[in-house]
Amino acid sequence: DIQMTQSPSSLSASVGDRVTITCRASQGISNNLAWYQQKPGKAPKLLIYDASTLQSGVPSRFSGSGSGTDFTLTISSLQPEDVGTYYCQKYNSVPLTFGGGTKVEVK
Amino acid sequence: QVQLIESGGGVIQPGGSLRLSCAASGFTFSVFDMHWVRQAPGKGLEWVAGIRFDGNNKYYGDSVKGRFTISRDDSKNTLYLQMNSLRAEDTAVYYCAKDRTGGKNSYQNYWGQGTLVTVSS
Repeated sequence: DIQMTQSPSSLSASVGDRVTITCRASQGISNNLAWYQQKPGKAPKLLIYDASTLQSGVPSRFSGSGSGTDFTLTISSLQPEDVGTYYCQKYNSVPLTFGGGTKVEVK
Repeated sequence: QVQLIESGGGVIQPGGSLRLSCAASGFTFSVFDMHWVRQAPGKGLEWVAGIRFDGNNKYYGDSVKGRFTISRDDSKNTLYLQMNSLRAEDTAVYYCAKDRTGGKNSYQNYWGQGTLVTVSS
């Protein structure tokens, strides 16, 4: 099975900072990658699909890039409401594996 | 608007069985693939099982294969997860999630709020 590895596992940044999270697949998955945001005590929310397409209603400060095995999620200007854990997920084939998550905190 | 409401969680002894339900509304349930995803306390997300829109193909994660069964009743707009031979490591919040499409692997664009299953003696 394909493994998904996220880094870092956690980060702390100031409001307005640019934040980058990376996700690496153990085999190529083309652009079949989604990013989810999960706030404490809540269900995950879809942010980006097909590696770089912003889900409707998601702020434009979120962006995604990559293809094959290496992907990034970028928050261009971190806001207080962005606190939470971010997960990548590959969906080219089952199992639909998630990365281990990146916890984002605001300093 | 799309709604997914899970039910059936609770405390169950190791070795026991439980059936989770997910009531769907706000979309044409019968044309979309559906999934169960779980999250153990303080841990990350784990895909558990998925079922195609027509119910003909079902897929399972290795940790639940042979113990859990996913099914759907399109007449009731309801997704199910039958969980047998439960273990302590099955303790988690179980989320129902709607796929973007039907019939091909895709991402999940709507999620329920989850139901907690606790396996403990």
